[in-house]
Amino acid sequence: GENVEQHPSTLSVQEGDSAVIKCTYSDSASNYFPWYKQELGKRPQLIIDIRSNVGEKKDQRIAVTLNKTAKHFSLHITETQPEDSAVYFCAASIGDDKIIFGKGTRLHILP
Amino acid sequence: DAGVIQSPRHEVTEMGQEVTLRCKPISGHNSLFWYRQTMMRGLELLIYFNNNVPIDDSGMPEDRFSAKMPNASFSTLKIQPSEPRDSAVYFCASSPSGAMDYEQYFGPGTRLTVT
Repeated sequence: GENVEQHPSTLSVQEGDSAVIKCTYSDSASNYFPWYKQELGKRPQLIIDIRSNVGEKKDQRIAVTLNKTAKHFSLHITETQPEDSAVYFCAASIGDDKIIFGKGTRLHILP
Repeated sequence: DAGVIQSPRHEVTEMGQEVTLRCKPISGHNSLFWYRQTMMRGLELLIYFNNNVPIDDSGMPEDRFSAKMPNASFSTLKIQPSEPRDSAVYFCASSPSGAMDYEQYFGPGTRLTVT
């Protein structure tokens, strides 16, 4: 069945450094790839998304890249700050109304 | 808009009891999703509705789980009988339908503990 793999499961970076989270997907028809951030005890919230007609998208300190040929996409956070500490989920669309989430990456920003 | 509303926020029940979780989606959203989140399995899609019709319930773990959406502003997820392994946070999310409208807006979740 459809699957989204996410790595690493845990990531610790020094404040100010960059963080990269990578995902692969199995359904070649997937065309929408959102990233959600979930702070401790809170709900997941969309932080950025990318559609299959572009290879890269940037929003301030966060950027996503997409390689449709290889079926993988990545989240890049630059100049990390303490408030970036959270669990990040990648996802890929299946059909018209459904997305499948990766297992999540717990990001720790070290002081 | 108040966003997606879920109730109760916390539920503690004994094994064998019936549990009903409730969700009110954002007004105007046509798709509604129920997810279960655990440390081991992450965010799992249980079922989703489009225009109040169940489209895909392949994620529902077993017959003990059922979900309904009697109208555009209300959905329930029922577990009967509940078991300790059902303990998790259950999220409801809604999104506008449309070819390119995929963002899902999550509710605050219901933390279920079955003892």
